[in-house]
Formats: sequence, structure tokens, C-alpha cells
Amino acid sequence: DADVTQTPRNRITKTGKRIMLECSQTKGHDRMYWYRQDPGLGLRLIYYSFDVKDINKGEISDGYSVSRQAQAKFSLSLESAIPNQTALYFCATSDYGNEQYFGPGTRLTVT
Amino acid sequence: GNSVTQMEGPVTLSEEAFLTINCTYTATGYPSLFWYVQYPGEGLQLLLKATKADDKGSNKGFEATYRKETTSFHLEKGSVQVSDSAVYFCALKDTGRRALTFGSGTRLQVQP
Repeated sequence: DADVTQTPRNRITKTGKRIMLECSQTKGHDRMYWYRQDPGLGLRLIYYSFDVKDINKGEISDGYSVSRQAQAKFSLSLESAIPNQTALYFCATSDYGNEQYFGPGTRLTVT
Repeated sequence: GNSVTQMEGPVTLSEEAFLTINCTYTATGYPSLFWYVQYPGEGLQLLLKATKADDKGSNKGFEATYRKETTSFHLEKGSVQVSDSAVYFCALKDTGRRALTFGSGTRLQVQP
């Protein structure tokens, strides 16, 4: 089984809808991250969490919110989706060291 | 602020050719440097890393040397294979910062 899983893997939704992307990990890491990938822009950090009670905004948090339900679960929500949130979304985890472990990604399309 | 600049792709090579993907960075502290690889339809995987100046990271025939004087971390491989076709991301983690800063990625296409 994969160490970092994301659901759904693909989602098409309409403008204005609320949507939640979920991430689970079995690596036992305290630190979890949500990134967004757009063509030609690399990965940009949306939110990160260093433990269940620690939530921090990244460089592009506007329009997003997160919930750290447990050490192993970190969800990303779009309260009212808009077309420019169409992107590939990645969850990642890490321990105290520098290496991050990534999930397979969720491809989100907002029409 | 921190930033990572990579050469634009796609880079198209024939099998067994020599590969260089350039990466330069700007950081306020003494960062650790990374190369991640993303194969089609998958998430990113760590390829190699270096944590201090003059360190050389290596893995699967790929190498990169941390050059503080030129603020660079270029990725090289002596003989690429079709299976190396992927997107390669250079990244840094600066001391005192809590997450990675990524470059825009470079797509490598290796033709048989």
C-alpha cells in the first residue's frame, strides 16, 4: 500500500461548489503539506501543518482552508471553487528531516 | 526571499546522451538542496540531495554538486535512458524556513 494516499484522484466540479480533497499517510510523520502544481510554475505551497494543533498558511492560501483531523489525515477544502483553481494538487509529509514524501496527486477541474 | 530557477524545457535527448539540467538558487541562509523527479501520472520522488557546500548528491546515475560560490546545483547524468523521461524539479529548504521552495520543473524526453 502507498505511504501517502489522496482521494479523489480526479474531480470535476462547477464554479461555486464546495469541495474537499483528502490526504492520509501511514509513515507516522508529524508534518504534512498541501501543494498546487500549475504548468510552468512548479509546486507552490498552500498550507502546512507540523502537528495536529499547528496550521500555517503557505504562499497561496487565499480561497483554501485545511483541517488536520489526526496525525495521519490532512484535508484541503475549496469553499467556493473558481476556474483558476483548476490544477494538480499534491499532499506531502515529512519527519524532522528535509525529505518530503508525496502522494500521487489529485487532478481538479473547475468548470 | 528564496527562489529557484531552472532551465526551461522540454529537453529532448537521444538514448545514451549526456544530460545537464541547470539549477540556480537564491537563499538568505544556508539551504539544503534537492532534486525531485516526477514520472508521468505520479507524485514527486526525491532523487538526490546535498546539505552543505561542496557536497555531491548521487542516485541512479544522476549527480549534482552543491556550489555555493555560483549558487548552483546542476543535475547531470552521463548516459540517459528512455526510462529517465520525466519532469525534474530543483528545490531548496532554507534554514529557519519550514517548507521547500521549488523551481518550475524541466521536462526531459529521451528518445530511443
